[in-house]
Amino acid sequence: GESVGLHLPTLSVQEGDNSIINCAYSNSASDYFIWYKQESGKGPQFIIDIRSNMDKRQGQRVTVLLNKTVKHLSLQIAATQPGDSAVYFCAENVPLRGGGSQGNLIFGKGTKLSVKP
Amino acid sequence: GAGVSQSPSNKVTEKGKDVELRCDPISGHTALYWYRQSLGQGLEFLIYFQGNSAPDKSGLPSDRFSAERTGGSVSTLTIQRTQQEDSAVYLCASSYNRVLDTQYFGPGTRLTVL
Repeated sequence: GESVGLHLPTLSVQEGDNSIINCAYSNSASDYFIWYKQESGKGPQFIIDIRSNMDKRQGQRVTVLLNKTVKHLSLQIAATQPGDSAVYFCAENVPLRGGGSQGNLIFGKGTKLSVKP
Repeated sequence: GAGVSQSPSNKVTEKGKDVELRCDPISGHTALYWYRQSLGQGLEFLIYFQGNSAPDKSGLPSDRFSAERTGGSVSTLTIQRTQQEDSAVYLCASSYNRVLDTQYFGPGTRLTVL
């Protein structure tokens, strides 16, 4: 079964507000996390990533926070715009025993973000 | 440069028929991945190719599914004797080297099995 899940399947925000999308993961050995954005009819698009030796990383209007103590990941979008409406997926990489990384990511089910004008 | 491309964009087939889905990764990317996305669901890993190494087939749901990657570039995912539960969007991604490099996704192939 999936080890990555989301607290909220849908999120509706007003244009200009900040959005926070949450993700829980279950494998404490996961060493790399990614957020993807998927618009209707398109493939997922990389937004931002973070490695387990960090607890915060910022991009343009987006910030990812990692709390390894409670195995929680969040994506913050500042000044949310209508173009941010999409499904957001978190994904984790679980390294193989003995080093190296698994050849695939484990994805959560996604949160749908709707931005109201 | 060009991104990951997939063909066809849509495929409708009858139960029991075989289908082939194609993926053209970004030039120079040695890693290629296939995922399946059912309606309203997350991505399910199917198979991973890394250079000339043997592929990681651990995600293939049954022996009706197979994939090849010729010349370290183009990949074909084949589903034999399709079933209705195979209906999904099949996504291909590539990365420069391996999983810790950003994966770039194609637009997907929507497969409908009647």
